[in-house]
Amino acid sequence: KAGVTQTPRYLIKTRGQQVTLSCSPISGHRSVSWYQQTPGQGLQFLFEYFSETQRNKGNFPGRFSGRQFSNSRSEMNVSTLELGDSALYLCASSLGRDNQPQHFGDGTRLSIL
Amino acid sequence: AQSVTQPDIHITVSEGASLELRCNYSYGATPYLFWYVQSPGQGLQLLLKYFSGDTLVQGIKGFEAEFKRSQSSFNLRKPSVHWSDAAEYFCAVDLNDYKLSFGAGTTVTVRA
Repeated sequence: KAGVTQTPRYLIKTRGQQVTLSCSPISGHRSVSWYQQTPGQGLQFLFEYFSETQRNKGNFPGRFSGRQFSNSRSEMNVSTLELGDSALYLCASSLGRDNQPQHFGDGTRLSIL
Repeated sequence: AQSVTQPDIHITVSEGASLELRCNYSYGATPYLFWYVQSPGQGLQLLLKYFSGDTLVQGIKGFEAEFKRSQSSFNLRKPSVHWSDAAEYFCAVDLNDYKLSFGAGTTVTVRA
C-alpha cells in the first residue's frame, strides 16, 4: 500500500512569490492534515480537511490556505512568501474517524531566498 | 496552558544500552497519545499509540510506552538500542479535535 506522497520534495522561492504544495493521501484515507516544521517553532498544525471540508485550522495568517479535492488529494498554498516561511511542510492522512492515527509523508522542503 | 513537554532535548546512549524518553502532557482530559520518530530528511513514522485499555503499549522496532494517568506521562522505552535508532523522537497528543499537538522533540545519539 503506497504511503502519503508529497510533491515536490524541494522548492526554492523568493520573497513575495506564492507556492502550491501537493499531497496524495494513503488510499482510502479521507482526512488530510498539514503541519509546518521549523527549528525554532517545532511542529505546528496548519489545517485539516475531511471530505473537502476544513474541520480545524491552526494559528497561521491568511496567507496560508488549503483545499481538498473529491479524491481526497490536498493542496496547500502560501501567498506573498516571507523568509520565515522557510520550513519543512508535512502532510498526514488518516481515516478521519476516532482512534485513527495520522500517517505522514516525507514532506516538502521550502526555502525562501 | 495545555501543552506537551519532552524534558530532554538531547540524549546520548551507548549501543546495546536501554533508552527511556520522557513525555508529559497537561490537558484536562486524557488525550490520545502517540510517539513518532523522524530520521534526517524524512517525515514522521508512527512508533506506537495509546487510546485506552492496557497502559503498556507495544510498538514497532522494539519500542514500548507506558501511560501513567497519575503522572500525566507517556514515556517511551527500548531495552537495547541499535545504531539505527539514532533519530529525533516526538511525543504527540490528539484531543479528538482533528489535530496533533507535538512536543519539542528529543534527539537521540547512539555511540558505538
